[in-house]
Amino acid sequence: QVQLVESGGGVVQPGGSLRVSCAASGFTFTNYGIHWVRQAPGKGLEWVAFFRSDAINAFYADSVEGRFTVSRDTSKTTHFLQMDSLRTEDTAVYFCVREYFQDWGQGTLVTVSS
Amino acid sequence: DVVVTQSPLSLAVTLGQPASISCRSSQSLVNYDGNTYLDWFHQRPGQSPRRLIYRVSNRDAGVPDRFSGSGSGTDFTLKISRVEAEDVGVYYCLQGTHLYSFGQGTKLEIK
Repeated sequence: QVQLVESGGGVVQPGGSLRVSCAASGFTFTNYGIHWVRQAPGKGLEWVAFFRSDAINAFYADSVEGRFTVSRDTSKTTHFLQMDSLRTEDTAVYFCVREYFQDWGQGTLVTVSS
Repeated sequence: DVVVTQSPLSLAVTLGQPASISCRSSQSLVNYDGNTYLDWFHQRPGQSPRRLIYRVSNRDAGVPDRFSGSGSGTDFTLKISRVEAEDVGVYYCLQGTHLYSFGQGTKLEIK
C-alpha cells in the first residue's frame, strides 16, 4: 500500500534553514508528483508546494516562493522540502501528499523560534 | 489568487440529522480541460486529513454513501445525510484549478 513518511522536523531559529524529507513507497515513484501541505498549530490546512512527476516543474504558494525549494532523489524514492529564511509564521506540521491528495503522510513538526 | 470561503465555520448537529457545508470560490473552478477540481477532506484531531470527495461529487473508496458532494462554477456543497459520531472533526474543501487553495475549515460537533 502507499506509504509516505516525513522526517527531519525540529526547532530552528528565525532566518535559519531546515530540510524535511518524505520517503515514499507502495507506488511507482516517478509517475506521481508530491504536494507539501502545512498546518500551523490549531489552524487550518495551507497548500505549500507541488513538485510534478516530470521533476522539472515546481509550483509554490506566494507565502513561501523564493524561500522554499522542492526536489527529489529517485534512487532513494524520497522527496525533499528545503526551507530557507525561515520565519516564525512557518511553524507548522508539514505533510507530504501524493498527487491528487488521496494519500497523506503523518506529518513532521517544524518550529521556528528563538 | 483564488480565495476559497467555507461556511459555516462551525456546526453542531444532533446524531442522525443532516449537515451541510458550503464552499465558495472567488473564481470559477471549471478548468480548461472541462473538469472542476474541487475536493473535500475530513480531519479528525491528531490525524492526517482524509479525502472524501474528488472533482465535486465523486466519493472515494470506503467513504459512506451518507456523504455527497454537489455544485458547479463557484458554489459547492458537502452534505451528510445522517450525521454519525465518527463524523466529528474538521472538513476542508480544496480547489485545484488555479494552483491550489484550501477553505478555512468547518468544525463539526455533535449537539
